[in-house]
Amino acid sequence: NAGVTQTPKFRVLKTGQSMTLLCAQDMNHEYMYWYRQDPGMGLRLIHYSVGEGTTAKGEVPDGYNVSRLKKQNFLLGLESAAPSQTSVYFCASSYGGQNTDTQYFGPGTRLTVL
Amino acid sequence: AQSVTQLGSHVSVSEGALVLLRCNYSSSVPPYLFWYVQYPNQGLQLLLKYTTGATLVKGINGFEAEFKKSETSFHLTKPSAHMSDAAEYFCAVKNQAGTALIFGKGTTLSVSS
Repeated sequence: NAGVTQTPKFRVLKTGQSMTLLCAQDMNHEYMYWYRQDPGMGLRLIHYSVGEGTTAKGEVPDGYNVSRLKKQNFLLGLESAAPSQTSVYFCASSYGGQNTDTQYFGPGTRLTVL
Repeated sequence: AQSVTQLGSHVSVSEGALVLLRCNYSSSVPPYLFWYVQYPNQGLQLLLKYTTGATLVKGINGFEAEFKKSETSFHLTKPSAHMSDAAEYFCAVKNQAGTALIFGKGTTLSVSS
């Protein structure tokens, strides 16, 4: 049981390049989330999904797109990377949307945009 | 709208001393509150959570937190700090829609020998 995994762990992009971050979970969770973590800012929600084929915007969605084609995977895309997107990205999943549900986090992807 | 404020971005204690990390929340509905810990270069791990019922919540690694509605607080404590407790700690509240967590900005705990 690997929990939540993220690919890649590190990436350096040039401004304007595109990339996709992959999140996978093997816990059969319905809900999945993408957060970004910046120094002194805590974690901020980018997008989330309440089930296969559904996505919704979070607090800071601009410049990102997501897809949830399979229940176990949640992809985060950057179409045209900008230096402001330099951050650590965390994926999380939870069983459902109950207020008591625990979110389980992946190890993170450190992205630098030059 | 829900929000979380963590007082003190950095807290330093000596090994064996009391740990107190402060968290205040704002919520228009009964809050569901969480504390997560992040060790260097790792993801977040749940320490404890308050849902309903007992206001004193015990978590992993000897940590506990008390929900005080009158003070809108959910402070995290540990009686005796260990070197291994050095990490960043995040307080979070479930958003009103129940779809995601709203995090505080985090408090870095340093433990000295």
